[in-house]
Amino acid sequence: SQQGEEDPQALSIQEGENATMNCSYKTSINNLQWYRQNSGRGLVHLILIRSNEREKHSGRLRVTLDTSKKSSSLLITASRAADTASYFCATADLSGAGSYQLTFGKGTKLSVIP
Amino acid sequence: EAQVTQNPRYLITVTGKKLTVTCSQNMNHEYMSWYRQDPGLGLRQIYYSMNVEVTDKGDVPEGYKVSRKEKRNFPLILESPSPNQTSLYFCASSRVRGAGASEQYFGPGTRLTVT
Repeated sequence: SQQGEEDPQALSIQEGENATMNCSYKTSINNLQWYRQNSGRGLVHLILIRSNEREKHSGRLRVTLDTSKKSSSLLITASRAADTASYFCATADLSGAGSYQLTFGKGTKLSVIP
Repeated sequence: EAQVTQNPRYLITVTGKKLTVTCSQNMNHEYMSWYRQDPGLGLRQIYYSMNVEVTDKGDVPEGYKVSRKEKRNFPLILESPSPNQTSLYFCASSRVRGAGASEQYFGPGTRLTVT
């Protein structure tokens, strides 16, 4: 099944800076989701953006979606040490059995230095 | 509290000894799924279930079995574990059947080591 790919693989920034992570995917989708994972723990859902939306905000998070380029970005503004985690994008294929499978990228590991 | 629980959280076992990892959700969710997470490979789906008695293979189903006899439970069974099944396992559930249609709630994970 198709897979999202995050870029960069790792990102290190100072507290207070903004962090941007990108995700590219391969096939048509209904929506795209972003998740966060603290080391070794379960994933936590951050935001879902539908294919007919271009931008969505949630607190310090801003997600964009460009379906023509099959890409999405996650921006975390004014980062905090507590934002240190891995971030994953996830998509489901538009049709057939793929619509029942959520496929995750390999993630971006974000380190926020106090 | 809405949650997905998994047991055990940590398990060390030997090759060939059958084991079951339990998963339970208290949100009356239709959809449940199992993933394994390995360094450099990300999360890969093992099996999923759209409703009671309805299960299907994900991307890496070999060596695993599942069942969905009740809506809240979705156990993962390793009939004859092998060292290449050493991994971090996650159970997840979501409200609707389409995997991408709504957020998934993840359990805390089960770290399995097969020697």
